[in-house]
Amino acid sequence: KQEVTQIPAALSVPEGENLVLNCSFTDSAIYNLQWFRQDPGKGLTSLLLIQSSQREQTSGRLNASLDKSSGRSTLYIAASQPGDSATYLCAVGASGGSYIPTFGRGTSLIVHP
Amino acid sequence: GAVVSQHPSWVICKSGTSVKIECRSLDFQATTMFWYRQFPKQSLMLMATSNEGSKATYEQGVEKDKFLINHASLTLSTLTVTSAHPEDSSFYICSAPGASNTEAFFGQGTRLTVV
Repeated sequence: KQEVTQIPAALSVPEGENLVLNCSFTDSAIYNLQWFRQDPGKGLTSLLLIQSSQREQTSGRLNASLDKSSGRSTLYIAASQPGDSATYLCAVGASGGSYIPTFGRGTSLIVHP
Repeated sequence: GAVVSQHPSWVICKSGTSVKIECRSLDFQATTMFWYRQFPKQSLMLMATSNEGSKATYEQGVEKDKFLINHASLTLSTLTVTSAHPEDSSFYICSAPGASNTEAFFGQGTRLTVV
């Protein structure tokens, strides 16, 4: 059974810092990996999707890397802003069959001015 | 990307009543949809897989008679929480795989509070 772990569980930083959020998974037979953002009481916003054949994806100040063999992904946030405050979720999609992502518990990020 | 719409976004109900949550794929057809539950500071846990035209598949520990799922069309799945109790209070969210079955699209979620 796939297990997804995210470290740290919570993070509080001053505005402007560069951040690294970590995600690890136990079964490397994945199809892809998605990073989501969740604001309090809200649904999920997809940030980046990395296919298993890819090493990284970039969108604006966000960069996600994937090391499938070691079961790890990182989300790098450059020049953090208060608006980045949210919970960041990592989800791993299994290969074969219907696409059902398995989620980590998330990293709760607070960026203070 | 594909859009999944979930309604209502929040609901408060009395203990013992039933609540229906709708999940619609707006611009694509979804033969399969997934229902998750999220407790505070916890991860999203898969409750059940909704299949168009057939019975839903429930994860271990999820009561199928309490959480009724109906997938009546290729664009609509509903989750009904029957005889709701305070411990059912949670954030419920649905998702559907896109046409390529390689990415998940999520609804906005429903905050259920049972008083």
